[in-house]
Amino acid sequence: GAVVSQHPSWVICKSGTSVKIECRSLDFQATTMFWYRQFPKQSLMLMATSNEGSKATYEQGVEKDKFLINHASLTLSTLTVTSAHPEDSSFYICSAGQGGLLHFGNGTRLTVT
Amino acid sequence: AQKVTQAQTEISVVEKEDVTLDCVYETRDTTYYLFWYKQPPSGELVFLIRRNSFDEQNEISGRYSWNFQKSTSSFNFTITASQVVDSAVYFCALSGGNFGNEKLTFGTGTRLTIIP
Repeated sequence: GAVVSQHPSWVICKSGTSVKIECRSLDFQATTMFWYRQFPKQSLMLMATSNEGSKATYEQGVEKDKFLINHASLTLSTLTVTSAHPEDSSFYICSAGQGGLLHFGNGTRLTVT
Repeated sequence: AQKVTQAQTEISVVEKEDVTLDCVYETRDTTYYLFWYKQPPSGELVFLIRRNSFDEQNEISGRYSWNFQKSTSSFNFTITASQVVDSAVYFCALSGGNFGNEKLTFGTGTRLTIIP
């Protein structure tokens, strides 16, 4: 079964609203989680590294004030897309490592209208 | 900086043919991990293989096989006797570090279509 749970699987929101995506590690603790974004027919690009109890590390070109990451517990990281716009429509996917293995969530398809 | 190149954007083959997906990588790390993932239309990433930089043995898993050539920085993936269910986008990825459970650099992917 899945060891990383991501919710929701898909979401449609209106432009200007905020959307929160959750990434949970099941049955293991993850001090670090990773958030990726995938535009249609493109590759997965790392957005940020989520660190439990401290600030996330963002990749170059990713707006930290727009993509808020909170990793308040060892099993949960959240990505909030603030003031979403149609260009934020994308597939967002998280991952976490456990014992030398890397696990991905099933992804969240965000559509901003 | 790490880089993964998948030069083949799209490939179409007739069912039962063999097909090889190419992957070339660049890294300055002495220890690194290479991965292949399959992404069906539903979007989730399906893990296929992980190989560390010290293990150059080729691997076979059913119809799938992988050829790791450190000398040419390549990690190619071959599907033998392809099936329609193999149709998907395939990503090659690279991770630095000692455990292979860290952030990945993905290639641009190869869209494979198996024609019945």
